[in-house]
Amino acid sequence: DAGVIQSPRHEVTEMGQEVTLRCKLISGHNSLFWYRQTMMRGLELLIYFNNNVPIDDSGMPEDRFSAKMPNASFSTLKIQPSEPRDSAVYFCASGASNTGELFFGEGSRLTVL
Amino acid sequence: GQNIDQPTEMTATEGAIVQINCTYQTSGFNGLFWYQQHAGEAPTFLSYNVLDGLEEKGRFSSFLSRSKGYSYLLLKELQMKDSASYLCAVRDLYNNNDMRFGAGTRLTVKP
Repeated sequence: DAGVIQSPRHEVTEMGQEVTLRCKLISGHNSLFWYRQTMMRGLELLIYFNNNVPIDDSGMPEDRFSAKMPNASFSTLKIQPSEPRDSAVYFCASGASNTGELFFGEGSRLTVL
Repeated sequence: GQNIDQPTEMTATEGAIVQINCTYQTSGFNGLFWYQQHAGEAPTFLSYNVLDGLEEKGRFSSFLSRSKGYSYLLLKELQMKDSASYLCAVRDLYNNNDMRFGAGTRLTVKP
């Protein structure tokens, strides 16, 4: 299995632009987490899906952030409009159940100028 | 909500033993996880405790006391490649079984 696949690996954009981050889950996994990691705040949970349904989005910073899971194997995290404070590494992680370990993608490093 | 606390940094010597502590407060404990994260890489799973006691996995062991809200990760026979951040994470049944992480402990192994 290829593991959790995220794209792009790196993105540099200008303030105000739309950013879309993508994640492909491991086949057979049914839970999907988006995290954001910075030096200051560590690994923060943004949103969590189970069986394609958003369960907890209390970590989504504000309305500029949105996440979707259009099918069982794919998710997107969108930031519109982006701001410099959104610069971070965004990780997607999937799991086989809602109690087991998570498998992380390699992350998308976002820089907003 | 959850509070997960761990030391920010630790240093140890190659070949030694190090214990990384984690304390947590959660309304519906449903498992504690340890992850390892090397600089510039993704976190990778190390261990899982849901019942009290010690889980051993080669050079790494993890301990849990639910009544004390306490866990530790024990690393034996330290190697240089063990230099990494170690993240404690807790699942919370009353928060929809989400998984939240502590800030991580950066371990430096010196020769």
